[in-house]
Amino acid sequence: NAGVMQNPRHLVRRRGQEARLRCSPMKGHSHVYWYRQLPEEGLKFMVYLQKENIIDESGMPKERFSAEFPKEGPSILRIQQVVRGDSAAYFCASSPPGSSYEQYFGPGTRLTVT
Amino acid sequence: GNSVTQMEGPVTLSEEAFLTINCTYTATGYPSLFWYVQYPGEGLQLLLKATKADDKGSNKGFEATYRKETTSFHLEKGSVQVSDSAVYFCALSDSNDFNKFYFGSGTKLNVKP
Repeated sequence: NAGVMQNPRHLVRRRGQEARLRCSPMKGHSHVYWYRQLPEEGLKFMVYLQKENIIDESGMPKERFSAEFPKEGPSILRIQQVVRGDSAAYFCASSPPGSSYEQYFGPGTRLTVT
Repeated sequence: GNSVTQMEGPVTLSEEAFLTINCTYTATGYPSLFWYVQYPGEGLQLLLKATKADDKGSNKGFEATYRKETTSFHLEKGSVQVSDSAVYFCALSDSNDFNKFYFGSGTKLNVKP
């Protein structure tokens, strides 16, 4: 059983460009979570999604950030008009139905904004 | 609110030394507590967990005891190996809001042969 997959692993964007980060959950998992890790800090919750639904987006910045988890395909975290402060590692986690307290993490995408 | 504080690193030890990484927490409900490990270039892996007070989580020689009276969940290992070199994260999931994990800032462990 493959683990949580994230791509790309490294992404470089210039200020003002868009960044798209993808996450494929583990097989059988229908819950996806996105976390951000700023340099020298712990992971901070951003958003929790189930298929075609955003359940909790209380950690998402109000502007420029959006997330989706379509019926088919990976979950996408989209950052529009990136700024240098968006440079961070973005981690995706997934959990099976009914077991949100056990989250399995992907390797992360390291976004660098130049 | 919920938060996790863990000791800053890096921690550098010689092989076979005793390891302690301190972790304390605040929580509004009844948290479950976790230790995750991140090896270079990889994602976070669950190392151990404890879901109620006085529970002891253990795995691969690591252990941590959920201490409600001191709000702590310190990670220990009696004899570290070079292969234990990694970043360790303490985390909690609160019963009032169990979909979110709250993480400490991570402690880097370097074990020298």
